[in-house]
Amino acid sequence: DGGITQSPKYLFRKEGQNVTLSCEQNLNHDAMYWYRQDPGQGLRLIYYSQIVNDFQKGDIAEGYSVSREKKESFPLTVTSAQKNPTAFYLCASSIYGGTNEKLFFGSGTQLSVL
Amino acid sequence: AQSVTQLGSHVSVSEGALVLLRCNYSSSVPPYLFWYVQYPNQGLQLLLKYTSAATLVKGINGFEAEFKKSETSFHLTKPSAHMSDAAEYFCAVNLIQGAQKLVFGQGTRLTINP
Repeated sequence: DGGITQSPKYLFRKEGQNVTLSCEQNLNHDAMYWYRQDPGQGLRLIYYSQIVNDFQKGDIAEGYSVSREKKESFPLTVTSAQKNPTAFYLCASSIYGGTNEKLFFGSGTQLSVL
Repeated sequence: AQSVTQLGSHVSVSEGALVLLRCNYSSSVPPYLFWYVQYPNQGLQLLLKYTSAATLVKGINGFEAEFKKSETSFHLTKPSAHMSDAAEYFCAVNLIQGAQKLVFGQGTRLTINP
């Protein structure tokens, strides 16, 4: 079945540690996205990529980094500069990244600080 | 700046009753509007989207939404609630041409009472 796979489902970060969240899709979509979800705040865009080897900052990119070396993969690194990393992180994709396209979401990664 | 406001963070209805989830947006240009649903510990799924073809939009699972420009609203309705409708619902708007940069509302948690 085609879809988006996020791993791990749960992740714990120690102070000063960088952690990487994995996102893989087999939908052959050009565009991929990372959202952060906090209770009562909806989703906020961290980074997005419309093509391999290119990505753009979203609304809350500080303290995060991404790479897009392959079409099917868009890993997110939460760096030690992100002082409040505890949240639910959602990866998504769409066919081309057009304005009215449907987003396909993964099942998320819950990140917590030890 | 574009924004989305969902009125009511929690809505509770009885099984078989009408479901009404409210969404208002602010925009000076015609928007693209979406409703997504999120079941516990999962990603989001698209319910329906408005792209100016018709003001009344029908989606999956019996949901529909009506775009009212004069009221800047895009409320979601379902005539008869089912227990399986219990979830969190997000309204989202995209004004950026050539890119999929959704702005999400804060979400409305729908509870269905037996």
